Amino acid sequence: KAGVTQTPRYLIKTRGQQVTLSCSPISGHRSVSWYQQTPGQGLQFLFEYFSETQRNKGNFPGRFSGRQFSNSRSEMNVSTLELGDSALYLCASSSSRLEGQYFGPGTRLTVT
Amino acid sequence: GENVEQHPSTLSVQEGDSAVIKCTYSDSASNYFPWYKQELGKGPQLIIDIRSNVGEKKDQRIAVTLNKTAKHFSLHITETQPEDSAVYFCAGNSGGGADGLTFGKGTHLIIQP
Repeated sequence: KAGVTQTPRYLIKTRGQQVTLSCSPISGHRSVSWYQQTPGQGLQFLFEYFSETQRNKGNFPGRFSGRQFSNSRSEMNVSTLELGDSALYLCASSSSRLEGQYFGPGTRLTVT
Repeated sequence: GENVEQHPSTLSVQEGDSAVIKCTYSDSASNYFPWYKQELGKGPQLIIDIRSNVGEKKDQRIAVTLNKTAKHFSLHITETQPEDSAVYFCAGNSGGGADGLTFGKGTHLIIQP
């Protein structure tokens, strides 16, 4: 079974721009969660989607948004990028909401 | 919201010895506690998890114990090997899952040959 894939793997953007990251979950998994990982704050939960519906959201500003498609693939969008948004963005999928999550390799976003 | 504290931040053990990493949580509604291993350049990998109705779970050299009353859980790795070197994260499902997973800050485990 193929693992969780994320594209692109690396991205460099300028302050004020917006970015869209993509995640393809493991086949059959309907739950997709997104996390931000930084050296200072560690791993922080962004949001979870299950069957195309956002089920919960972490403590992030409205500039961070996401969606899930009918095939369970998910995208997250960050608008009006700030330097502090530089991080590794991880996507995780599971068949049972937040339990038994499999992570992708992440997208390394650098904001200059 | 949930607060998960993890100790120690760095742990160095001799190959073949045991390693123990401890976490405490604050949210009584949390009922699922996974442990993840992250190697350099990779995403976290689930290595073991435990639900609040279980006190201990074991998988070969890895075990997790949970004390619901004290709100702490621990990861035990026995007979450590060089490939166990990595960063380990504990987590709890805040609000029983309603608020996502809250992670500890991580423990850098170093296995000395």
